[in-house]
Amino acid sequence: GAGVSQSPRYKVAKRGQDVALRCDPISGHVSLFWYQQALGQGPEFLTYFQNEAQLDKSGLPSDRFFAERPEGSVSTLKIQRTQQEDSAVYLCASSLSTGANYGYTFGSGTRLTVV
Amino acid sequence: ILNVEQSPQSLHVQEGDSTNFTCSFPSSNFYALHWYRWETAKSPEALFVMTLNGDEKKKGRISATLNTKEGYSYLYIKGSQPEDSATYLCAFLNAGKSTFGDGTTLTVKP
Repeated sequence: GAGVSQSPRYKVAKRGQDVALRCDPISGHVSLFWYQQALGQGPEFLTYFQNEAQLDKSGLPSDRFFAERPEGSVSTLKIQRTQQEDSAVYLCASSLSTGANYGYTFGSGTRLTVV
Repeated sequence: ILNVEQSPQSLHVQEGDSTNFTCSFPSSNFYALHWYRWETAKSPEALFVMTLNGDEKKKGRISATLNTKEGYSYLYIKGSQPEDSATYLCAFLNAGKSTFGDGTTLTVKP
């Protein structure tokens, strides 16, 4: 597509509920990144993929967080048993490469509110 | 943990003022620094990709410089306009991923 598409745009979840956030990157972009952004702070790294391989998941805050990109295109970030501290904007970005000269193209984000 | 810091946290200027803000990052193992502009209700948009010490990049009224030896980059906006109001993020690339600062939020009053 023309840009990075994320859905849903907004999600309200009851504490303990599982959620799945979707990211559809730009066609042909090899690298895909997930970031979490709390109010007033910059995006915090969660995980990234090179094609279907998850190369770094060091930023995932707990084992309740899981991400996949099975065919090297669309990615899903799943959060199990959501907690209030999971409330944040989840940003997805894609890039042609992880090389120095390649900036990210971001989606509009998913705002998750856990009540 | 990589430390990427931006200052000031926020800035209010009058239309027509010139302004600048700072991004500081680790000076060792430099790979690249990116600047992004993030307008309210939109996605962050890439402004500059900077890779070499001494790099200077320009896009219209906005420019950026890079000093990798001392670990800082400046973003300059000449003759600020209300449409420049946004949060400006810098991102330090290392080990395949970007570490972002908390951003500088610029408000330009007409």
